[in-house]
Amino acid sequence: SQTIHQWPATLVQPVGSPLSLECTVEGTSNPNLYWYRQAAGRGLQLLFYSVGIGQISSEVPQNLSASRPQDRQFILSSKKLLLSDSGFYLCAWSVGRGHYGYTFGSGTRLTVV
Amino acid sequence: AQSVTQLDSQVPVFEEAPVELRCNYSSSVSVYLFWYVQYPNQGLQLLLKYLSGSTLVKGINGFEAEFNKSQTSFHLRKPSVHISDTAEYFCAVTRSSNTGKLIFGQGTTLQVKP
Repeated sequence: SQTIHQWPATLVQPVGSPLSLECTVEGTSNPNLYWYRQAAGRGLQLLFYSVGIGQISSEVPQNLSASRPQDRQFILSSKKLLLSDSGFYLCAWSVGRGHYGYTFGSGTRLTVV
Repeated sequence: AQSVTQLDSQVPVFEEAPVELRCNYSSSVSVYLFWYVQYPNQGLQLLLKYLSGSTLVKGINGFEAEFNKSQTSFHLRKPSVHISDTAEYFCAVTRSSNTGKLIFGQGTTLQVKP
């Protein structure tokens, strides 16, 4: 069966420090991969999506970047964190165009201090 | 572009009462619709989806939703809620013809009281 792993679960980082959040999917090939951010009371905002290795689409300009070095690995990064980067980050995957829904990871709670 | 509006940010309800969480979408093209549930500090779990066919869709945990194309709505209902249904609920839409990017509403917090 397919599973998605996301880590760490919680992270407290100082302003200006780098960030690396990792997401891996098991049990499927060539998934579409997504990073969402959920800020308090603001729903989910799509940050990046990827339809294949090295293919990244950015939805909003921001202080973050994403990479997909392997088929089932999706990484969210920042060189210098801002206070506004705090939030709950969710990775998700889908088969093809996602018309059957997404499967989400358990999320990373990032607090920038 | 598509958008989703969840009309209530919070819905308090007593246990065993019925509940309806409202969702309206806007899109000029054919769409697929979804409801997700999120328990505290967890990821999202798919409750149900509408792709085509019958406009009444049944999901997990006794939830159902009805797609109304003329009113561009996809309201979520449950005839009798339990304490364990307390969570945040998200409506989402994607175009039927694009990469499958899901656009989410702002969420509705369902608070079930004893």
